[in-house]
Amino acid sequence: AQKITQTQPGMFVQEKEAVTLDCTYDTSDQSYGLFWYKQPSSGEMIFLIYQGSYDEQNATEGRYSLNFQKARKSANLVISASQLGDSAMYFCAMREGLDGQFYFGTGTSLTVIP
Amino acid sequence: DTAVSQTPKYLVTQMGNDKSIKCEQNLGHDTMYWYKQDSKKFLKIMFSYNNKELIINETVPNRFSPKSPDKAHLNLHINSLELGDSAVYFCASSQIRLAGGRADTQYFGPGTRLTVL
Repeated sequence: AQKITQTQPGMFVQEKEAVTLDCTYDTSDQSYGLFWYKQPSSGEMIFLIYQGSYDEQNATEGRYSLNFQKARKSANLVISASQLGDSAMYFCAMREGLDGQFYFGTGTSLTVIP
Repeated sequence: DTAVSQTPKYLVTQMGNDKSIKCEQNLGHDTMYWYKQDSKKFLKIMFSYNNKELIINETVPNRFSPKSPDKAHLNLHINSLELGDSAVYFCASSQIRLAGGRADTQYFGPGTRLTVL
């Protein structure tokens, strides 16, 4: 079974609108971390936001928020007020286990339309 | 201030050659990783080192050999390069804590684009 599933290979959003990128995960651990990364066309991997499995509040970082639904094992990224510079690949990731191995999803390509 | 750096950024070489990619982090992290990203953008972990000891060694050809001289460096040596090795290779680092938390965040280097001709 896939540890991280991103079902949207490509998404489009109008500039200034909000967009949700889906991510579901699979783990039997009680303690784990969920992450989102952005990879623009320049290629670097940029950390965006983190959610811990014990965190009761949804994480927020500026225009990014993580919609964490533990029972559904989902960790969707919400980007508010999309900007042209948000066009990029977005990867959901999970850390589990004491060795801290990371698992990445296959990514979602987001295109912001002016 | 470069947190995770990799050299070279681009590497073009012939099949059969041996090449190395260097990685250094100045974040004081105790764990470093190598990932391979293929043309479809799929990220695959290759190796993970914690305090200079190998802790993850995914199924990669033994032509790939990581070397960690100290916990701030993790180099990747590739022997007998093949066409299929063409990809972007990312180094990353994190601080693993048993209690977890944001401190476990992996920070990535800029990537090395390897092209085998």
